[in-house]
Amino acid sequence: AQKVTQAQTEISVVEKEDVTLDCVYETRDTTYYLFWYKQPPSGELVFLIRRNSFDEQNEISGRYSWNFQKSTSSFNFTITASQVVDSAVYFCALSEGAMYSGGGADGLTFGKGTHLIIQP
Amino acid sequence: NAGVTQTPKFRVLKTGQSMTLLCAQDMNHEYMYWYRQDPGMGLRLIHYSVGEGTTAKGEVPDGYNVSRLKKQNFLLGLESAAPSQTSVYFCASSYATWTSGSLYQETQYFGPGTRLLVL
Repeated sequence: AQKVTQAQTEISVVEKEDVTLDCVYETRDTTYYLFWYKQPPSGELVFLIRRNSFDEQNEISGRYSWNFQKSTSSFNFTITASQVVDSAVYFCALSEGAMYSGGGADGLTFGKGTHLIIQP
Repeated sequence: NAGVTQTPKFRVLKTGQSMTLLCAQDMNHEYMYWYRQDPGMGLRLIHYSVGEGTTAKGEVPDGYNVSRLKKQNFLLGLESAAPSQTSVYFCASSYATWTSGSLYQETQYFGPGTRLLVL
């Protein structure tokens, strides 16, 4: 069965430091999708990125970057020069194909989240 | 284009009372989902729907019922609320695409959440 592990429950860094959030996944599928969502203190869930298993190129978006490595089943998220506004809970999630997920588009499998605290 | 909206934003119930949470989306998505979020547990899927008139159970369906009478709406009902159902409830919608002969989730877009307290 699919599984997403975010081993870091909470990370605290000082503003302007770089920080990496780890995500390790398990799947039997050869085609799958990985996601990151951000949940700021206000509570909403904000989509950050979607990556399919065929594309191992690293992605960069401003201060955010993602490192996808199939060899280690990891999809790590790095924030460069962190800012206080980056403080949030970050979730990694996995989507498998219908053949492996029970027959349909039956939702994402989420990790338990990493609470990131950026101190000024 | 409001995206995904949820009604109400906050509710307090007494044990045994019933209520319905409403989710609406204006993105013409086929798939809709109800999750609950509890401290340290991440998001867990309660029920989902892959189209109008269809529903299916997720990971934690007990104590909840759902209905999808219209494509844009997905209702979550609690028939007899229990303190264990105190949680934040999120609705999401998406579409799915065929890739390599199988069906895959596209990005799920979430509503703002409903905070429910059962006393």
